[in-house]
Amino acid sequence: GESVGLHLPTLSVQEGDNSIINCAYSNSASDYFIWYKQESGKGPQFIIDIRSNMDKRQGQRVTVLLNKTVKHLSLQIAATQPGDSAVYFCAENGRSNTGKLIFGQGTTLQVKP
Amino acid sequence: NAGVMQNPRHLVRRRGQEARLRCSPMKGHSHVYWYRQLPEEGLKFMVYLQKENIIDESGMPKERFSAEFPKEGPSILRIQQVVRGDSAAYFCASQFTGADPEGGEQYFGPGTRLTVT
Repeated sequence: GESVGLHLPTLSVQEGDNSIINCAYSNSASDYFIWYKQESGKGPQFIIDIRSNMDKRQGQRVTVLLNKTVKHLSLQIAATQPGDSAVYFCAENGRSNTGKLIFGQGTTLQVKP
Repeated sequence: NAGVMQNPRHLVRRRGQEARLRCSPMKGHSHVYWYRQLPEEGLKFMVYLQKENIIDESGMPKERFSAEFPKEGPSILRIQQVVRGDSAAYFCASQFTGADPEGGEQYFGPGTRLTVT
């Protein structure tokens, strides 16, 4: 069945280090992927997205990499800050024509000062 | 431009009561999605609506749950005869009217946390 999963449930990094959060997806028909950040008690906040015709996209301090061959998505956060501590979700569209998103389980990022 | 608004933020209902959750999309957005999040889990799609139309309700339980997005006013997710298993956070997301429905940024509200006692 369709699923989006994350390799590690929790990632702990030192402030200032780079963070890499990974995601595996199973629907090879997906052509749109998004990373969301969710802080405790809040709704998901859009970080960055990427379409399947790209393999890399950069934002401010964040980079998303897409490897369609192995159906793998990653989020890289440069110079991780305490404010980056949150749960991170990857999501895919499953090639749906209605835009509904399929979310993974989430990775908790803990930033140690 | 205010973000997506949801109310109430917290809702407590006894088993058998009805729950009504409201979502006001961002200005200029006419696409609304509802998702449910159980503790320690990712969000699960429930329903996608445009003004006065349900486009995709494939994630909605067949009984007790309904959704609407009237021409005027917020989108409503209604749960009748709630059970303990309905306890979850319910999020709505809105999308720009002209966005490609297959892949356009969805902006999420703060959610409604429903507790069924």
